[in-house]
Amino acid sequence: EVQLLESGGGLVQPGGSLRLSCAASGFTFSNYAMSWVRQAPGKGLEWVSGISGSGGSTYYADSMKGRFTISRDSSRSTLYLQMNSLRAEDTAVYYCVKEGVAGFGVVTFDYWGQGTLVTVSS
Amino acid sequence: DIQMTQSPSSLSASVGDRVTITCRASQSISSYVNWYQQKPGRAPKLLIYAASTLQSGVPSRFSGSGSGTDFTLTISSLQPEDFATYYCQQSFRTPHTFGQGTKVESK
Repeated sequence: EVQLLESGGGLVQPGGSLRLSCAASGFTFSNYAMSWVRQAPGKGLEWVSGISGSGGSTYYADSMKGRFTISRDSSRSTLYLQMNSLRAEDTAVYYCVKEGVAGFGVVTFDYWGQGTLVTVSS
Repeated sequence: DIQMTQSPSSLSASVGDRVTITCRASQSISSYVNWYQQKPGRAPKLLIYAASTLQSGVPSRFSGSGSGTDFTLTISSLQPEDFATYYCQQSFRTPHTFGQGTKVESK
């Protein structure tokens, strides 16, 4: 059974930093790309960042470029998101997502963690 | 970035109703659309991928169609457990943008 367990959320002041972790199990971690998706309170879903299975390729939403860094440790089956220079508008539940690849190369977000809440406030 | 525009943003329906949600992409994305269901306090769940393929375990009352820029999610006969928010998403290129969501409420 695929399980994704996020941790590391909490309250941080504007301008501060936080590192989120996602412990994965139930699948061969290094074979799959992973993403982070966030959801501000009462709002919709926003893709944040993605990383290839090897870790060699990373992708970011424009508003996170230069502030957030995604990484992964295959020996620990763990995904990370380092968040710096945090702003109030980064307040959200952050979901760890496993990417699947269906036919014709269609990328799916097929498994989601339960999410971890990040609150940026003074 | 590719914009995904869903309509309506909310709708009221009764059990047994046929429900249709539409999603329009700002450029052609072939069939690279996924649909997700989210219930309050829960993570989203993949329903349909590649515009029309049902994810394993999803009831057959859900269906998807479309290609290019216009896509549709249909629930043929709404069940009590289907009251939720639905999101489309494009996987044509990064960033993998989502629609703003459609909340299906009880009439």
